[in-house]
Amino acid sequence: GQQLNQSPQSMFIQEGEDVSMNCTSSSIFNTWLWYKQDPGEGPVLLIALYKAGELTSNGRLTAQFGITRKDSFLNISASIPSDVGIYFCAGPYNTDKLIFGTGTRLQVFP
Amino acid sequence: NAGVTQTPKFQVLKTGQSMTLQCAQDMNHEYMSWYRQDPGMGLRLIHYSVGAGITDQGEVPNGYNVSRSTTEDFPLRLLSAAPSQTSVYFCASSYSPAAEAFFGQGTRLTVV
Repeated sequence: GQQLNQSPQSMFIQEGEDVSMNCTSSSIFNTWLWYKQDPGEGPVLLIALYKAGELTSNGRLTAQFGITRKDSFLNISASIPSDVGIYFCAGPYNTDKLIFGTGTRLQVFP
Repeated sequence: NAGVTQTPKFQVLKTGQSMTLQCAQDMNHEYMSWYRQDPGMGLRLIHYSVGAGITDQGEVPNGYNVSRSTTEDFPLRLLSAAPSQTSVYFCASSYSPAAEAFFGQGTRLTVV
C-alpha cells in the first residue's frame, strides 16, 4: 500500500543546531501535516500545509509543501532539549485515509 | 474537555485470547481511526471510520475488527491475539482526514 518515507530515520544533534527532515511519497498529496510525538504520548499537530509551494512557520518550526506535491520538508531552527521526540509527516490518501510516515527520531544533546 | 480517551493503557494477553480496546471522543468528530506503532515502522493505519455505521480497512487490518455504532465510540477488537500484535495502539479523531487529528494516550499491548 501507500507509504510515506521519511528521512533521516534518526538524528542526534547538539542544542542550538538547526534540523532538516523530509517526507516523500509515490503519490500526489493535497494536504501535508506534520506531527510531533513526545515520549509516552500520542502525536500532536505542529503544522498543516494545504497548497503546493506553501511555506508555513510555527515558532522555530518551518514546513514547506513541495512543488511536485509528492514531498514536504520540516526545519527546526536553534534546537532546544524539548524538541526531542519523533516527528511524523501525514496526509489524506485517496481522500479518506489519513496515513503517516515512518518518522524521524530527534535527540538533542545539551 | 476529555478529547480522545483510550482504555486500557497497558494490557498483557496470552496467545489466542480476545480483547477490545476502547476509544471514545467528545468532540463530535466524524472521522476516527486506529493505528499501531512499531519501532521503525511509523504509525500504520489498521481501520478507520468516516461516520457512524461506516468502517473500512487500512494498511494492516488482518486480525482486527471494528464497529462504529455511535459517533463517539470506535472500539478495536482483537479476535485471537498473536505475538505479532504486540505493539502500541493509538486511536485518533478529526473532522476529516485532512484536518487536525487528536490522539488518545495509547494502549501498550503485549501478547505472550
